[in-house]
Amino acid sequence: EPEVTQTPSHQVTQMGQEVILRCVPISNHLYFYWYRQILGQKVEFLVSFYNNEISEKSEIFDDQFSVERPDGSNFTLKIRSTKLEDSAMYFCASSKWTSTYEQYFGPGTRLTVT
Amino acid sequence: AQTVTQSQPEMSVQEAETVTLSCTYDTSESDYYLFWYKQPPSRQMILVIRQEAYKQQNATENRFSVNFQKAAKSFSLKISDSQLGDAAMYFCAYFDRGSTLGRLYFGRGTQLTVWP
Repeated sequence: EPEVTQTPSHQVTQMGQEVILRCVPISNHLYFYWYRQILGQKVEFLVSFYNNEISEKSEIFDDQFSVERPDGSNFTLKIRSTKLEDSAMYFCASSKWTSTYEQYFGPGTRLTVT
Repeated sequence: AQTVTQSQPEMSVQEAETVTLSCTYDTSESDYYLFWYKQPPSRQMILVIRQEAYKQQNATENRFSVNFQKAAKSFSLKISDSQLGDAAMYFCAYFDRGSTLGRLYFGRGTQLTVWP
């Protein structure tokens, strides 16, 4: 069964550094999302993406964040200058936007900012 | 913004028994979808079951079923014949199809422990 994959599984970075989190959505999906989950808290929406542009972004998704679909398979989240509070689990999700609107999640990337 | 509330931070159940996880939500929309996701220790989010708001019939997937009460804005998950592999964090999520591409709003989760 096709699934969403994410790399790396764990990324440790120093405050102020740039990180790129990578996702490969399910191949016939056209709608992509990033969510994050700070340890012990609820999963929060960051951004949705379709047709090579951002569809919607949350108040969390400030100028330090950007997303890109550099080729036909990858979907990336870049954090330009990481802060301690960016430490979280980042989940990529994709959807076919069928009548059921199901989103399929990747296994997540644990980002630790020191 | 839509809010999703899971009032039970932790629940436990004996193997083979039945457990019900609660979820309530707040919305002014009439057309929406509700989901339960399971997050085992691996932290992968796995879709368990979905419910369309326009459907009166409660969704069922094998041992998992929901009790959807639209007027009460309640969406509980029942797990029958609980198995050790059901131990996980369970998230209730609301999807508003009216927003641009839609986003999921999650509750804080219920940690389910299954005792042998």
